[in-house]
Amino acid sequence: AQKITQTQPGMFVQEKEAVTLDCTYDTSDQSYGLFWYKQPSSGEMIFLIYQGSYDEQNATEGRYSLNFQKARKSANLVISASQLGDSAMYFCAMRGEFSGGYNKLIFGAGTRLAVHP
Amino acid sequence: DAGVTQSPTHLIKTRGQQVTLRCSPKSGHDTVSWYQQALGQGPQFIFQYYEEEERQRGNFPDRFSGHQFPNYSSELNVNALLLGDSALYLCASSWDTEAFFGQGTRLTVV
Repeated sequence: AQKITQTQPGMFVQEKEAVTLDCTYDTSDQSYGLFWYKQPSSGEMIFLIYQGSYDEQNATEGRYSLNFQKARKSANLVISASQLGDSAMYFCAMRGEFSGGYNKLIFGAGTRLAVHP
Repeated sequence: DAGVTQSPTHLIKTRGQQVTLRCSPKSGHDTVSWYQQALGQGPQFIFQYYEEEERQRGNFPDRFSGHQFPNYSSELNVNALLLGDSALYLCASSWDTEAFFGQGTRLTVV
């Protein structure tokens, strides 16, 4: 069975500092994808970054980067130069890619990030 | 290009009633999935539609049903509403490695 674990219920960071949100996963699939989403209080789930299990390079999207350590089964999100607008819930999710990328997403419990001025 | 759109954004229903939620996927996406997110939790997978057929289903009772139309839009129906059905319902459309969500429908059952 697939499982996502986010062990940090809440995190604080000073504006302009970098922060790392932890995510570990468990799967028996050889091919899978890892996602990070941001959910502000409005409720919309905003896609941030994707990492495929066979990607050799860590994914980066602007201020977001994914620290992918396959042997440790971890996929931590790094946000550089935090901004006040980064305050939100952050979810790590996994999808088995066996069926051509159409499998369901399995989500972690989320981490609430608060950015302080 | 519009992303994933859901309607309505908020809804209040009485216990025992039936509700229909709607979702239009992102242009070019042919797969639609529905998720339920209870307060303070991560989203839970309800089911997924592809080519107008239910392809996968999560651990939800038969009161939850859906439909996908030829234009790939989708509906989620919930019958005999319970107080515990109160949640944010998210629709996601996907293609290849992309998976984008709508803004959700917040359902309150009273």
